Amino acid sequence: EAQVTQNPRYLITVTGKKLTVTCSQNMNHEYMSWYRQDPGLGLRQIYYSMNVEVTDKGDVPEGYKVSRKEKRNFPLILESPSPNQTSLYFCASSPLAGATYNEQFFGPGTRLTVL
Amino acid sequence: RKEVEQDPGPFNVPEGATVAFNCTYSNSASQSFFWYRQDCRKEPKLLMSVYSSGNEDGRFTAQLNRASQYISLLIRDSKLSDSATYLCVVLNTNAGKSTFGDGTTLTVKP
Repeated sequence: EAQVTQNPRYLITVTGKKLTVTCSQNMNHEYMSWYRQDPGLGLRQIYYSMNVEVTDKGDVPEGYKVSRKEKRNFPLILESPSPNQTSLYFCASSPLAGATYNEQFFGPGTRLTVL
Repeated sequence: RKEVEQDPGPFNVPEGATVAFNCTYSNSASQSFFWYRQDCRKEPKLLMSVYSSGNEDGRFTAQLNRASQYISLLIRDSKLSDSATYLCVVLNTNAGKSTFGDGTTLTVKP
């Protein structure tokens, strides 16, 4: 089944404890992206990647890191999480970076709480 | 000013009603436009792309006005199952940057 998977789906952690949220897609998509969604707000782009080893900042990159060492995986790293990073996180992928009408396929989301 | 702005809603309409959502964008370099649907904080799913000439998919019609920098979504004959949050999305294709509106919540009542 073609899909984007994220792990973990739910995580409660404490301030300062490094964590990684994994994202994997099995559709051979070039483009991958991370978003966060907070109550009453739409999705805000954290980082995105147009291809392997190519990553760029979105609108809210502070406090996050990403890597794209292989096409299928795009992990989101929080080196020192803080309570303001409590949010719902979505990973997404698209077939072709740079294509005009590029549907994004989303993972199921990761609900992160930082105490 | 936000880069993408949507009608805040919420919209509460009876079944069978016609409802329209608007979305404005500020970056004239934007190249691709979409409407996504999101149910109860689940993952967003593509509802429809928005083409320059306008496009229709069943009860849904999307329009783009590049001169005025807005897109719209029209839903005819609303169903209970149309209740959801509708997200306007603007993509700068070359740069890969994707900007979402805050969403408009629609509730269709019997």
